[in-house]
Amino acid sequence: QKEVEQNSGPLSVPEGAIASLNCTYSDRVSQSFFWYRQYSGKSPELIMSIYSNGDKEDGRFTAQLNKASQYVSLLIRDSQPSDSATYLCAVAGAGSYQLTFGKGTKLSVIP
Amino acid sequence: KAGVTQTPRYLIKTRGQQVTLSCSPISGHRSVSWYQQTPGQGLQFLFEYFSETQRNKGNFPGRFSGRQFSNSRSEMNVSTLELGDSALYLCASSLGPDGNSNSPLHFGNGTRLTVT
Repeated sequence: QKEVEQNSGPLSVPEGAIASLNCTYSDRVSQSFFWYRQYSGKSPELIMSIYSNGDKEDGRFTAQLNKASQYVSLLIRDSQPSDSATYLCAVAGAGSYQLTFGKGTKLSVIP
Repeated sequence: KAGVTQTPRYLIKTRGQQVTLSCSPISGHRSVSWYQQTPGQGLQFLFEYFSETQRNKGNFPGRFSGRQFSNSRSEMNVSTLELGDSALYLCASSLGPDGNSNSPLHFGNGTRLTVT
């Protein structure tokens, strides 16, 4: 049974701070990793994809992947109230056509 | 480029009925996946289609089925509805696998199904 674990939160950070979201996965052969943002009542929206160990930056977002530790994280710099949402970590195995999602971390950015 | 389109947005059905949901992927995307989202279980994979072929199926009963047409549009059907089928059903499209990697999924707005 493939599992993706996330702290459900809520994670509260002040505006302008760095928000750090973490995710661990159980399937050691996982190859593709994604972060999605979901606002209440809306569908998930892709923020980042990462496939190799290390960091990947896109604007205020940085995804970090460590396959040896089976760990992926998302950093949000200069957090804004509009970043308040649930963040979903998703993982896919090599040659697999399905994503396994964590249950999400609810982030609240306090003005 | 238009996003993933799902219809209808909302549905109310009675136990025992059946329902069909529709999904039009992003132009050029050949892979369509379906997920069920509930507050307790989160996002759970239903099935994935590529070039009209179901390539993978999640752990759902046979009442849940789907298909994909030659234009990549997809439908999913749920027969003999149960109260527990009430959920947000999300369709997502992608370009499909790229070697050992997967191109990202792009989700539609979902169909909110309520079974009474």
